[in-house]
Parts: sequence; structure tokens; C-alpha cells
Amino acid sequence: NAGVMQNPRHLVRRRGQEARLRCSPMKGHSHVYWYRQLPEEGLKFMVYLQKENIIDESGMPKERFSAEFPKEGPSILRIQQVVRGDSAAYFCASSPPGQGLSGANVLTFGAGSRLTVL
Amino acid sequence: AQSVTQLGSHVSVSEGALVLLRCNYSSSVPPYLFWYVQYPNQGLQLLLKYTTGATLVKGINGFEAEFKKSETSFHLTKPSAHMSDAAEYFCAVSDPAGYSTLTFGKGTMLLVSP
Repeated sequence: NAGVMQNPRHLVRRRGQEARLRCSPMKGHSHVYWYRQLPEEGLKFMVYLQKENIIDESGMPKERFSAEFPKEGPSILRIQQVVRGDSAAYFCASSPPGQGLSGANVLTFGAGSRLTVL
Repeated sequence: AQSVTQLGSHVSVSEGALVLLRCNYSSSVPPYLFWYVQYPNQGLQLLLKYTTGATLVKGINGFEAEFKKSETSFHLTKPSAHMSDAAEYFCAVSDPAGYSTLTFGKGTMLLVSP
């Protein structure tokens, strides 16, 4: 029973390049959340997606960042024209369907993707 | 808006000693409360959560936490620390009427010495 799978685990990019981070939710889960962890900081919510829908992107930077969760395949967090300040650990979490609006949902987290921008 | 404050970025205890990690929250409505643990190079693992009912919540690995509404606190305790408890601990809240988006504290690193 594989958990939340994220890849790559480590990614190095030069300033101006693009970074793509992938997340395969836990089997049976259809809700995906992306969080960013900056050094010495807690996790900050970025975006919440269901299949083919962005539900809440209130934590996403307005520029250069985008996320998708297609009908088939993993969720992807895309960062265009990366800058040094994008260096962080990006965590994906998933939860089961059918729970709707419920702050009690337990999120299952992946091991994270660590992005380093040179 | 919700916020979480974890007092102490690092807490050091001896093996066998009491563990106390502090968490205070600010929320316009009574939130749901969570403690997660993060071991090095791993994702976050749920320790315990409070939603409704009994205010003393027991979790995995011998941890427990008590929701105190009057103090807006949800401190995490364990009677006797083990070396394997060394990790980073995050307190988090969510809005019961909202999505399951969590607001996290900055985390507390627990160091356990022999």
C-alpha cells in the first residue's frame, strides 16, 4: 500500500529554469494539497486540488507558480523561471474523496521534494 | 485567520524524562487541532488530532495532547522520552467548516540525550 509518492526527491535548478514536481496521491485518494517549507519555517499551504479542479489556490504566489491534477496521472507543481527564494522543500499531501468540507480530514504527506536553486 | 505559535524552536530532554511541547493557536472559531512529527528526510506523520469530544487525546508512540479552550492551547506530552522520539514536531489547525487546509506552526525540534 504505497503512500504519497513524490518525485524527484531532490532537484537542482539554475536561476531562470523551470522546475516540475510530481505527486502521486495515496491509492484511493482524490484530493491533493501542496505545501512549501522554507528553512526555519513551518509548512505553508499553497494549493488544494481535486481531479481536474483547483479548489483553493489562496497560498500560491501569483506569478510563476501553477499546479494541476489531471484526470490521469500525478499532480504537478510547476515553477517557471525559478529564483533563489524558491529553494525549499515542497510537500504533497492527499486525502480520500467524499469528505467534502471537513477540516477534520487527515492528510497523508509524502516525503517531499527538495528544490535547490543555484 | 488562523495562526499557530509553538514556543521554543528546540527542546532538549534526557531519555526517560517528560516531554512537553507547547502549542497555542489563534482562531475566530474553535478549530480542529493536530500534531504531526517529521523525521529527517521524511514526510509528516500524524501523531494525534482533536476534533470534538474528550479534550485529552491519545496518539501514537505514547504521545498525548490536551485541548484547553480557555488557554487556546494544545500542548503535546509524553511521560518518558525515548531516543527514537528525536524529530521535529509540528502543531497545526484547520477550520472545521472549511477545507482540510492546515495552518502549521514553525515546528519544535526535540533533542533526546542518553
